[in-house]
Amino acid sequence: DTEVTQTPKHLVMGMTNKKSLKCEQHMGHRAMYWYKQKAKKPPELMFVYSYEKLSINESVPSRFSPECPNSSLLNLHLHALQPEDSALYLCASSQDGAGAGEQFFGPGTRLTVL
Amino acid sequence: LAKTTQPISMDSYEGQEVNITCSHNNIATNDYITWYQQFPSQGPRFIIQGYKTKVTNEVASLFIPADRKSSTLSLPRVSLSDTAVYYCLVGDIPSPGGFKTIFGAGTRLFVKA
Repeated sequence: DTEVTQTPKHLVMGMTNKKSLKCEQHMGHRAMYWYKQKAKKPPELMFVYSYEKLSINESVPSRFSPECPNSSLLNLHLHALQPEDSALYLCASSQDGAGAGEQFFGPGTRLTVL
Repeated sequence: LAKTTQPISMDSYEGQEVNITCSHNNIATNDYITWYQQFPSQGPRFIIQGYKTKVTNEVASLFIPADRKSSTLSLPRVSLSDTAVYYCLVGDIPSPGGFKTIFGAGTRLFVKA
């Protein structure tokens, strides 16, 4: 299994809602990533987990809260988002500490904040 | 991390070879050069990665001169399905903390019939 899955595909939420995005991989990768991508812009790194520990946080607002319950699963908890947070949220994984650095990306969750 | 500069867009015709050059003047000794392809509403897909000289795989070649301040992605005989955005990234070698990757602005390639 060489794919990263993300659920849901689409999400619409109000500014007072709490929702979560889910990402899963079964490739044995030990590094997992969250990116945010606005239309016609490159992906922007948000968080990196390595061996289930948060290793990189790119100064992301606290209304985004990542969680890595196990080596295959990565969540992004959302609370009190703003309309400007509407974007495509991408999850990726990679072998950590070895290999040539290829990241495998999921298809993304299209988030709309009303 | 080294900043990358790529052309904003390129046009080509089916069957032609396409070369996309990326500038990375401040590349560090440990940095690898990686290229990704992205179609609309999909996640990026790894194309190729290299450190120096030339790397070739089944879909592309990557040419890196000796000074490593630029790199060229070469796509042989493109087809309509190669219409996508191509990103050049320069980043650290793998480390226990994962990769801190910064995507450049990307090059929008449009392949015409």
